[in-house]
Amino acid sequence: RKEVEQDPGPFNVPEGATVAFNCTYSNSASQSFFWYRQDCRKEPKLLMSVYSSGNEDGRFTAQLNRASQYISLLIRDSKLSDSATYLCVVEGYQKVTFGIGTKLQVIP
Amino acid sequence: GAVVSQHPSWVICKSGTSVKIECRSLDFQATTMFWYRQFPKQSLMLMATSNEGSKATYEQGVEKDKFLINHASLTLSTLTVTSAHPEDSSFYICRVRQGPNTEAFFGQGTRLTVV
Repeated sequence: RKEVEQDPGPFNVPEGATVAFNCTYSNSASQSFFWYRQDCRKEPKLLMSVYSSGNEDGRFTAQLNRASQYISLLIRDSKLSDSATYLCVVEGYQKVTFGIGTKLQVIP
Repeated sequence: GAVVSQHPSWVICKSGTSVKIECRSLDFQATTMFWYRQFPKQSLMLMATSNEGSKATYEQGVEKDKFLINHASLTLSTLTVTSAHPEDSSFYICRVRQGPNTEAFFGQGTRLTVV
């Protein structure tokens, strides 16, 4: 089983739609969780950290479920500019693991 | 503005030549720098971790004699791909952390194409 698993997609959604991605991780001792956004041929950029209590930043909501070992990202009212690959990142003791990324394409 | 500068952003080289990639932290002293490689449609894979003034720690399967890492100062780490081959063509990216439990920042990445 991969340490961090994501559905690579692509997810093609119309503008204005709500879309959700999940990411599962195998190491129950993992400590920190993040969502990064990566545009084509660019470096990943931190989108948001993920906490057990959940956190929201504008149209983006991230959740962590430690019992089931998954994190989620919800994007509301999708914009064309949201088209990118979203990377799930799991950090443990001295180790950071990146998911393969989920590609989102928002269609006019 | 950018806190990490990586260059070149892209490079094309002939098989057998060596390519040096630089990663600089601009606003802080970086005790730890990470080097990743990303093949198309694959996740970022850690190649090595370098700490200033000491030898880099390479991940399993990464040849240390082929991928030379130098972290000579607190603001600069270099990755040299020696005797490059077409299968080394990839996106190489550094990630810099000031200290433990601090946010890490990516460089802009270097797209290497070996012909």
